[in-house]
Amino acid sequence: QSALTQPHSVSGSPGQSVTISCTGSNDDVGGYNYVSWYQQYPDSAPKLIVTSVNKRPSGVPDRFSGSKSGSTASLTISGLQAEDEADYYCCSYAGSSRYLFGSGTKVTVL
Amino acid sequence: QVQLQQWGAGLVKPSETLSLTCAVSGGSLNGYYWTWIRQPPGRAPEWIAEIIPGGRPNYVPSLKSRLTMSFDTSNNQFSLQLTSVTAADSAVYYCAGWYMSRFDPWGQGTLVTVSS
Repeated sequence: QSALTQPHSVSGSPGQSVTISCTGSNDDVGGYNYVSWYQQYPDSAPKLIVTSVNKRPSGVPDRFSGSKSGSTASLTISGLQAEDEADYYCCSYAGSSRYLFGSGTKVTVL
Repeated sequence: QVQLQQWGAGLVKPSETLSLTCAVSGGSLNGYYWTWIRQPPGRAPEWIAEIIPGGRPNYVPSLKSRLTMSFDTSNNQFSLQLTSVTAADSAVYYCAGWYMSRFDPWGQGTLVTVSS
């Protein structure tokens, strides 16, 4: 199973916005609203930050937002903060008990 | 709040069997699919197995012949075994719950190194 495609890295200055894309196909991202996003710090487990394309779990800052258009999902971090520097992964259900993760994006705060 | 605590051997010899266990506690467990996800160093996570209590497990096709996953309802624990391991199986292995379109919660992860 192929991973969903994400940019290898994105960067921005504090206060700026960055957007991470997650490109799949009609069989996964485009076919289901089961897209989630995870933030991962080194040597830590991934943490859920967006579920069902655009819903934030309790406790996740509202500067994190998700969206989807066709087979591409996106995560936007508005008002970038130093603590947002981490790896980010998208994930989509792909039917028949298949779950695909994105290739991962490193966010750097300049 | 559902929490997961996992354990297992961190060093496994080539051709031997990797074994991990994850304990589930707290909150309502209804509706969860219990899963295993692995992440090789520097790479993306990969879903490898899932089970719903009382149901049959599902596996990623590339590992299906080597994987066994089970759920112990009396102890609220689920386990994973991966046979005939090679260096390519070295990774951090996470247990996680899939519920309503997301993986949450996650276990703390177990770094498994395959080496003689």
